Parts: sequence; structure tokens; C-alpha cells
Amino acid sequence: KAGVTQTPRYLIKTRGQQVTLSCSPISGHRSVSWYQQTPGQGLQFLFEYFSETQRNKGNFPGRFSGRQFSNSRSEMNVSTLELGDSALYLCASSPTPDGKNSPLHFGNGTRLTVT
Amino acid sequence: QKEVEQNSGPLSVPEGAIASLNCTYSDRGSQSFFWYRQYSGKSPELIMFIYSNGDKEDGRFTAQLNKASQYVSLLIRDSQPSDSATYLCAVNSAGRRALTFGSGTRLQVQP
Repeated sequence: KAGVTQTPRYLIKTRGQQVTLSCSPISGHRSVSWYQQTPGQGLQFLFEYFSETQRNKGNFPGRFSGRQFSNSRSEMNVSTLELGDSALYLCASSPTPDGKNSPLHFGNGTRLTVT
Repeated sequence: QKEVEQNSGPLSVPEGAIASLNCTYSDRGSQSFFWYRQYSGKSPELIMFIYSNGDKEDGRFTAQLNKASQYVSLLIRDSQPSDSATYLCAVNSAGRRALTFGSGTRLQVQP
């Protein structure tokens, strides 16, 4: 079974630009979560989608948004990029949003560098 | 106080020894607990999860949970150099769908 696939693996953008990251979950997984990982803050939750609906959102500004499609694939968008947005963005999928019975499985991540 | 706390390490153990990684959490409503391993430059990989008080064993790994003390640990028996990585503790609280991660403990297994 293929794992969580994230594209692209690497991105370099300049301040003020916007970026879209893509995530294809494990086949059969309907819940997709996004996390940001930085050396200083560690892994921080961005948002979670299930059945094309955002079910939970972390403490990030409105510049960070996402969506989920009917095939469970998800995208996240960051507008008006800032230097501090440089991070590893990780997508994780699980069969359902029930965290207790559905551990997250992470993709390889997209490393975003903002210059 | 951080919601999930881990000693950043590095924790250095000789090959073949038992490595003990610890994690404390602040939310008494926490229901499920996960250990992830992350190699440098890679994404987190699920090792184990535990929901009930006590021990759960899987191969060389044992997770221990004590809800009264708000403490979860991971024991790695017969540590190998390939176990050298950062180990992340993650907690899922009642009513919250997101996992809260600790900052991770870096483990170094010396050959």
C-alpha cells in the first residue's frame, strides 16, 4: 500500500509570494492533517480535514488555508509568505478523525524555504 | 508549562543497552499516546501507541503509561546504532482531534 505522498518535496519562494502544497493520503484514509515543523517550535498542528470539511484548526494566521477534495486529496495554501514560514510542512493521514483509534501516518514532507 | 514535555537530550546509550525515553503531559483528559521516531531530514514514523495504563510491548519496544502520574515512556531494548534518531511523544486529548507533540528526545546509540 502506498504511503502518504506530498508534492513538491522542496520549494523556494520569496517573501510576499504564495505557495500551494499537495498531499495524497494513504488509500482508504479519509482524514488528512497538516503540521508545520521548525527547529524552534517543533511540530505544530495547522488543520485537519475529513469528508472535505475542516474539522479542526490550529493557532495559525488566516494566511494559512487548506482544502480537501472528494478523493480525500488535500492542498494547503500559504499566502503572502514571510521568512518565518520557512519550515517542513508535513501531511498525515488516518482512516478516520478519531485520533484514539486512528494513528497518524506522515508523508515525507515539503521543505519550504522563503527568501 | 508545555502541554507535552520531553528532555531534549541527547540521550547516549551503548549498543545493546536499554534506552529509556520519558514524556509528561499536562492535560488529564488525554486519551491516547503515541511515539514517533524521526531520523534527521526525514518525516516522523509511528512506532507505537498506547491507550490504557500499563505496558504495551512490540518487539524491542515497550510503551508504558501511567495516567495518574501523567507520564508515558518508551523503552528500547537491545539498542542498535540504527535506533539513533529523535523520538517524539504525541498526545491526543478528549475532544481535540489534533495531536500535541513534544519537542522530542535525541537518542544516540554508541557502537
